Amino acid sequence: ETGVTQTPRHLVMGMTNKKSLKCEQHLGHNAMYWYKQSAKKPLELMFVYNFKEQTENNSVPSRFSPECPNSSHLFLHLHTLQPEDSALYLCASSQDLGGGLGSYNEQFFGPGTRLTVL
Amino acid sequence: DQQVKQNSPSLSVQEGRISILNCDYTNSMFDYFLWYKKYPAEGPTFLISISSIKDKNEDGRFTVFLNKSAKHLSLHIVPSQPGDSAVYFCAAIWRGSTLGRLYFGRGTQLTVWP
Repeated sequence: ETGVTQTPRHLVMGMTNKKSLKCEQHLGHNAMYWYKQSAKKPLELMFVYNFKEQTENNSVPSRFSPECPNSSHLFLHLHTLQPEDSALYLCASSQDLGGGLGSYNEQFFGPGTRLTVL
Repeated sequence: DQQVKQNSPSLSVQEGRISILNCDYTNSMFDYFLWYKKYPAEGPTFLISISSIKDKNEDGRFTVFLNKSAKHLSLHIVPSQPGDSAVYFCAAIWRGSTLGRLYFGRGTQLTVWP
């Protein structure tokens, strides 16, 4: 496997289910991100991890729970979701957060998980 | 509040002609701008970028123009090819922040027809 992979690619779940999305990066990066793309909306940053430490939670409801056990893996645990949470969930990684020194580290995206909440 | 805006959800262009995709932003702190391209069932991939100290950056058929005073950037594709058909996202970042946070527009679906 190369780049950033995400599983599953498609997920249908009921509002009372608990499921998890998985992201794995094979690029040796230290920063990982979860984004959400709803229909007709821009990509919205949800969570950021840098060297396994969460650095940003963009006011995401607690029914979304991220986990980053190591720099290569990122999970998004889902429970008691709502139909409006149906969206494409994208994972990305970068060398690290960059920034602060006028630098930017390119973010590489996975293919996403298409989530439907019934 | 949306800080990066792509007001055209779609654009249709004939093969060989120029495609111009537009993007506006509101935050004057942004100092680096990117375009990402997304095919169906794939994640966005980086296409081209420009620093705020420049007004033009060119890479093959792709050129990005930045007008800081108007807070506007555009992506020109010349000549357009059917394989360019994809969703194009404009993104911006303030590199002075340690958060590495990208702000995206909603995307423009480009269709290049033969």
